[in-house]
Amino acid sequence: EVKLLESGGGLVQPGGSLRLSCAASGFSVSTTYMAWVRQAPGKGLQWVSVIYSGDNSNYEESVKGRFRISRQDSQNLLYLQMTNLRPADTAVYYCTRVGQSVTQLFFEDWGQGALVTVSS
Amino acid sequence: DIQMTQSPSSLSASVGDRVTITCRPSQAISTYLNWYQQRPGQAPRLLIYATSSLPSGVPSRFRGSGSGTEFTLTISGLQPDDFATYYCQQSYSSLAWTFGQGTKVDIK
Repeated sequence: EVKLLESGGGLVQPGGSLRLSCAASGFSVSTTYMAWVRQAPGKGLQWVSVIYSGDNSNYEESVKGRFRISRQDSQNLLYLQMTNLRPADTAVYYCTRVGQSVTQLFFEDWGQGALVTVSS
Repeated sequence: DIQMTQSPSSLSASVGDRVTITCRPSQAISTYLNWYQQRPGQAPRLLIYATSSLPSGVPSRFRGSGSGTEFTLTISGLQPDDFATYYCQQSYSSLAWTFGQGTKVDIK
């Protein structure tokens, strides 16, 4: 059974930093695409970042240069390092396992989410 | 970026009703379209991938169709568990994915 458990959320001041962790079980993070998706309070879903094939990654435009996705294969962990945080980054951040069917990619499994609040 | 527009933004329906939600991308995306269900207070759940494929465990009353610039999610015989918000998402853009704004289905 696939399980994803996020941690590291909390309250941070604008301009501050925070690192989210996602502990995966039931599969290996090194063998699949992994992604972060966020949801601002009362709003819809927004893809944030993806990591794939080694250390290749991509980011949503508004977080480029501020966020960094990485993974620790030995511990089966996914990370999201967030710097220079803005109030607009306030959201629940979901860790997701990306499923694949031929050329199709989709967010197949989701964690319960970690709340990040950016406020002074 | 590919913009995803869902309609309606919300709807009210009764148990047993047939419900249809539409998703229109700003450009053609072949069949690279997924649907998610999010119940209040819960994480989203994959409902349909690749336009019309159901993951294991998703009831057959959910059906997805379409291609290019128009897609639909149909729920036949709405059940109490189906009152939720539904999101479409395109995976056509190479690793730059976008979601629709969501459609909230509530009880009439």
